[in-house]
Amino acid sequence: EIVLTQSPGTLSLSPGERATLSCRASQSVSSSYLAWYQQKPGQAPRLLIYGASSRATGIPDRFSGSGSGTDFTLTISRLEPEDFAVYYCQQYGSSLLAFGQGTKLEIK
Amino acid sequence: EVQLVESGGGLVQPGGSLRLSCAASGFTFSSYWMHWVRQAPGKGLVWVSRINSDGSSTSYADSVKGRFTISRDNAKNTLYLQMNSLRAEDTAVYYCARDRFWSDVMDVWGQGTTVTVSS
Repeated sequence: EIVLTQSPGTLSLSPGERATLSCRASQSVSSSYLAWYQQKPGQAPRLLIYGASSRATGIPDRFSGSGSGTDFTLTISRLEPEDFAVYYCQQYGSSLLAFGQGTKLEIK
Repeated sequence: EVQLVESGGGLVQPGGSLRLSCAASGFTFSSYWMHWVRQAPGKGLVWVSRINSDGSSTSYADSVKGRFTISRDNAKNTLYLQMNSLRAEDTAVYYCARDRFWSDVMDVWGQGTTVTVSS
């Protein structure tokens, strides 16, 4: 079973700043089968990134994903007010799907 | 508009059963794998189960295997989750989600239905 660890637990930044969120896997994620989701309070998650670096339909290009193997990163180049939320990574390279515990991005 | 609407949640006693439904619209339901994902109060997302397009293949998280059953009725465009032997730790919001092209990536999510297991 692959375990995903996200860091930091909470990230405090201001609008306009750059955000870098990390997701580390306990073993290599095959074929970069890593996705990122955004969840706002009281809402369902929204797919942002799949295949480690491909943006989902309608996702602004300020969101980008990178990484391979066991280390993956979600970068938000210039934070907008609507970007403050919780972000989850998910691996789908093994039959037992798993999410990370989440990173809360809060306004500083 | 692509939409998923869950129903069937509620309060149930430990050891009890509940069946969740997820009504799909705006896309060809029978062509897509589907998932259930849950979220305990104040906690993160946990994958529960997946079913393939025609219902012939299913998979489950270890925590629910043997107690939960995922199924679908493609004629009714509806996904189900039968939950038996419920425990307090099954208390969560349950989301159904559409799979993105047989990939185990979830690209459309419902708004969720709340299950509370308590005496």
